[in-house]
Amino acid sequence: AQKITQTQPGMFVQEKEAVTLDCTYDTSDPSYGLFWYKQPSSGEMIFLIYQGSYDQQNATEGRYSLNFQKARKSANLVISASQLGDSAMYFCAMRSTGFQKLVFGTGTRLLVSP
Amino acid sequence: SQTIHQWPATLVQPVGSPLSLECTVEGTSNPNLYWYRQAAGRGLQLLFYSVGIGQISSEVPQNLSASRPQDRQFILSSKKLLLSDSGFYLCAWEPGSYNEQFFGPGTRLTVL
Repeated sequence: AQKITQTQPGMFVQEKEAVTLDCTYDTSDPSYGLFWYKQPSSGEMIFLIYQGSYDQQNATEGRYSLNFQKARKSANLVISASQLGDSAMYFCAMRSTGFQKLVFGTGTRLLVSP
Repeated sequence: SQTIHQWPATLVQPVGSPLSLECTVEGTSNPNLYWYRQAAGRGLQLLFYSVGIGQISSEVPQNLSASRPQDRQFILSSKKLLLSDSGFYLCAWEPGSYNEQFFGPGTRLTVL
């Protein structure tokens, strides 16, 4: 069975600083994908970044990067130069290749202060 | 570009009443479609998914059902709502060949 663990219920960071949101996963499947989503207070889920299990390089999308450590089964999200608009819930998720089910973690609430 | 719509945005229903939530996708064809529920302060729970018209897979046995009468339309229903059905319902779609799922704006359901 697949499982995603996000151990940080809440994180605080000052504007313009970098922050790392932790995510560990558990799966026995050799091929899988890892995702991060942002959920602002409005409720919509916004896709941020994707990392495939066979990707050699860490994924990056603008200020977002994914620190993928396969041996440790971790897929931490790094947000550089935090902005006030980054305040939101952040969810880590995974799915095995070829399967429909996307498994989500419980989320981390990030608050960015001026 | 692709767009996903959900309605209504909010809904307050009494226990025992029926439910119908609708999700439609524009700008794509033959998408995979998903219904998720999010309880307050929790992660997302997959309820149903569909890979084609009339094809529904259920992840959690409960008093909810789903239907896909058209390629880009996905409906979540219930004959009799329970208090435990309260939550935030999100519809999502994905192109068949990609991995990311893209979510709609959600419906906030309160059952009283």
